[in-house]
Amino acid sequence: AQSVTQLDSQVPVFEEAPVELRCNYSSSVSVYLFWYVQYPNQGLQLLLKYLSGSTLVKGINGFEAEFNKSQTSFHLRKPSVHISDTAEYFCAVSDREGGGADGLTFGKGTHLIIQP
Amino acid sequence: DAGVTQSPTHLIKTRGQQVTLRCSPKSGHDTVSWYQQALGQGPQFIFQYYEEEERQRGNFPDRFSGHQFPNYSSELNVNALLLGDSALYLCASSFAPNNEQFFGPGTRLTVL
Repeated sequence: AQSVTQLDSQVPVFEEAPVELRCNYSSSVSVYLFWYVQYPNQGLQLLLKYLSGSTLVKGINGFEAEFNKSQTSFHLRKPSVHISDTAEYFCAVSDREGGGADGLTFGKGTHLIIQP
Repeated sequence: DAGVTQSPTHLIKTRGQQVTLRCSPKSGHDTVSWYQQALGQGPQFIFQYYEEEERQRGNFPDRFSGHQFPNYSSELNVNALLLGDSALYLCASSFAPNNEQFFGPGTRLTVL
């Protein structure tokens, strides 16, 4: 069985400051990791994914994440946030490389609040 | 190129009623998956349709059923609505079942 824990339900950050959103997972099989973003009144959009290879993954909108197998973590980072980054962020784990629907387990989400 | 579209955007029903939600996949996609996102929670997988058949199902009761049409669009039906069915229902489409999914904006269902 897989599970995802997003350690912070809300993260307030000042504009242009760096941010880290934390995600820990548990899985007994091969693991593939994803970060999705959900803007208000919209569906989810894939930010980045880790399938294999380099543990540092770069995604859209300047975000990156690092896969740490020993700590079972996949934290999301951005060096300088913008007001437009205000959204809900979801970490997800899958046992299927493509992230097939039936393999995706989501965390509860972290609300990133950017303060001017 | 239109993305995934869902209708209606909002819906209010009372307990015991039945509801049908609709989804049109992104152009070129043949697989549709449905998720339930309760307030303050992450999405939970309900089921997936491919080649007009239910391919996989999450931990949801039989009150939740679906259909996929020859044009790949899909419906989610929920019978005997409960207060706990109030949620955002997300549809996602992909090209084949195990590939990256693209999500629609969702249908907000409120059960009173």
